Amino acid sequence: NAGVTQTPKFRVLKTGQSMTLLCAQDMNHEYMYWYRQDPGMGLRLIHYSVGEGTTAKGEVPDGYNVSRLKKQNFLLGLESAAPSQTSVYFCASSFPGQGRFGYTFGSGTRLTVV
Amino acid sequence: EDQVTQSPEALRLQEGESSSLNCSYTVSGLRGLFWYRQDPGKGPEFLFTLYSAGEEKEKERLKATLTKKESFLHITAPKPEDSATYLCAVQAGGGNTPLVFGKGTRLSVIA
Repeated sequence: NAGVTQTPKFRVLKTGQSMTLLCAQDMNHEYMYWYRQDPGMGLRLIHYSVGEGTTAKGEVPDGYNVSRLKKQNFLLGLESAAPSQTSVYFCASSFPGQGRFGYTFGSGTRLTVV
Repeated sequence: EDQVTQSPEALRLQEGESSSLNCSYTVSGLRGLFWYRQDPGKGPEFLFTLYSAGEEKEKERLKATLTKKESFLHITAPKPEDSATYLCAVQAGGGNTPLVFGKGTRLSVIA
């Protein structure tokens, strides 16, 4: 039982390049989330999904796009990377209500944009 | 706007020296308050959920409590392996509302 798996774990991009971060979960969770974590800023929500085929914007969605074509996968895309997108990205998943078990997080993707 | 403030930003304790971390929140319609532990280079790990004022949860040396305006994470007789960043988060509004996180408290326990 792998939980939440993020790929890649590390990536360096040049300004203007594009990339996709993949999140996969094997817990049959309905909800999935993308957060970014920056020093002194805490975890901030980028986009989230409450089910296959649905997505919604979070607190900091600009410059990112997402897709949830399959229940187990949630993709985060950067179309034209900027240095301000240098961050650690975390994917998480949960059951509806999430109270009893909270979110399950992946181990993160460290992205540097130069 | 929902807000979560954690204090202190960093805390250094001697092994066995008990203390508390604070999480104050401003939300309309709290559905749950969550505590997570995060080790360096890893994702946050779920610890507790608290739903209503007066509720308490315990796990080993950790005890979380909740009032109408804040939550405390009490650490009793900490050990070096308790060193981590502790994150507080709240859920407000409807059942689909994602968690809003505080910036965390970085705890160091020195042997």
